[in-house]
Amino acid sequence: GEDVEQSLFLSVREGDSSVINCTYTDSSSTYLYWYKQEPGAGLQLLTYIFSNMDMKQDQRLTVLLNKKDKHLSLRIADTQTGDSAIYFCAEIPHGSSNTGKLIFGQGTTLQVKP
Amino acid sequence: DTAVSQTPKYLVTQMGNDKSIKCEQNLGHDTMYWYKQDSKKFLKIMFSYNNKELIINETVPNRFSPKSPDKAHLNLHINSLELGDSAVYFCASSQYRQTNTGELFFGEGSRLTVL
Repeated sequence: GEDVEQSLFLSVREGDSSVINCTYTDSSSTYLYWYKQEPGAGLQLLTYIFSNMDMKQDQRLTVLLNKKDKHLSLRIADTQTGDSAIYFCAEIPHGSSNTGKLIFGQGTTLQVKP
Repeated sequence: DTAVSQTPKYLVTQMGNDKSIKCEQNLGHDTMYWYKQDSKKFLKIMFSYNNKELIINETVPNRFSPKSPDKAHLNLHINSLELGDSAVYFCASSQYRQTNTGELFFGEGSRLTVL
């Protein structure tokens, strides 16, 4: 099936770490993605991880993938007020590679308090 | 220069009307998409075109008709608008051969409100 789930809201203080979680159902997904949507804007690809990796680090961002549990997480270190946005987890479902069809989660709104 | 641009940004109209949203990308991509984001932020694909050819049509009502005059443009025409059509519509583009990396470039969205 095609289903991606995320918690809806996360609030952290500036300087803390944020962890946004996602579960997905399609175990054959080759890539999994994190997109960021700032207020009034379109989505931007933040990072992605190939399914044969457990972890990917990119500056303040760490992506962890647990294929057995079909769980993906995004950790933002030293969260800043500029990180306040909606974060979407996404996958390309089985049979849809090379089509660009992405299945998105509902998005997690990250609120960063000064 | 805006990479993926949509017009209009806001659209308020009455039920039953017909409206269009236009999208243009200057990235040289050959694949374009329409996604719909509802009030609960769910984002779902509606259509995908590759080089003017329809690739994906996700059981969208036939009141929605996409048109791609060339690979840089993908317009969305909606007939007989209903209240449930109220949403933000996002246009996106990507390079076809790189679609498995999931990197789509999104426009800023067109917020449609049907009264």
